[in-house]
Amino acid sequence: AQSVTQLDSQVPVFEEAPVELRCNYSSSVSVYLFWYVQYPNQGLQLLLKYLSGSTLVKGINGFEAEFNKSQTSFHLRKPSVHISDTAEYFCAVSRVSGNTPLVFGKGTRLSVIA
Amino acid sequence: DGGITQSPKYLFRKEGQNVTLSCEQNLNHDAMYWYRQDPGQGLRLIYYSQIVNDFQKGDIAEGYSVSREKKESFPLTVTSAQKNPTAFYLCASIPPARSNTGELFFGEGSRLTVL
Repeated sequence: AQSVTQLDSQVPVFEEAPVELRCNYSSSVSVYLFWYVQYPNQGLQLLLKYLSGSTLVKGINGFEAEFNKSQTSFHLRKPSVHISDTAEYFCAVSRVSGNTPLVFGKGTRLSVIA
Repeated sequence: DGGITQSPKYLFRKEGQNVTLSCEQNLNHDAMYWYRQDPGQGLRLIYYSQIVNDFQKGDIAEGYSVSREKKESFPLTVTSAQKNPTAFYLCASIPPARSNTGELFFGEGSRLTVL
């Protein structure tokens, strides 16, 4: 079975500063990896995904993530955050060719301070 | 516009009452899912259905029931057997072209509060 650990439950950061949200996963097989964002009282929307190929993945709103197989990590980064990036971020994993439901981490609440 | 519609957005119920949350999609997706979200606990899978008239239990199915009589609809009933039903419930689906990756598209959620 797969599992996901998001290492920080809350991350405060000043506006225009860089941010990194950490995600580690555990799996005995190859995986697909995802980052989702959730604004208050809304559903989740996909930020970016790693399926195969280049380990550096670019997503919406200026976010990017790097897949590191040796460290089983998929950290999310943004070089300069805005107030509007304040939200909860979820890392998720699924098994390659497994047709299995996504497994989510517990989330990281990003608070951008003016 | 195509999408996933959840209703109601907010719902209050008294202890001991069953309540049904609606999830409808017009995206022609085969697979549909229900997740429960609690603060600090992420999303936990309740039930999922990959085709009509078939569904599987997720990690926390106890106290919940579902049906999948139509491709477009996947209602979730929260029964009186669910001991702590106050939560945010999210419905999601997967387009056929992405079914092997598990990538989900989400509705806007329904917040259930038990008084």
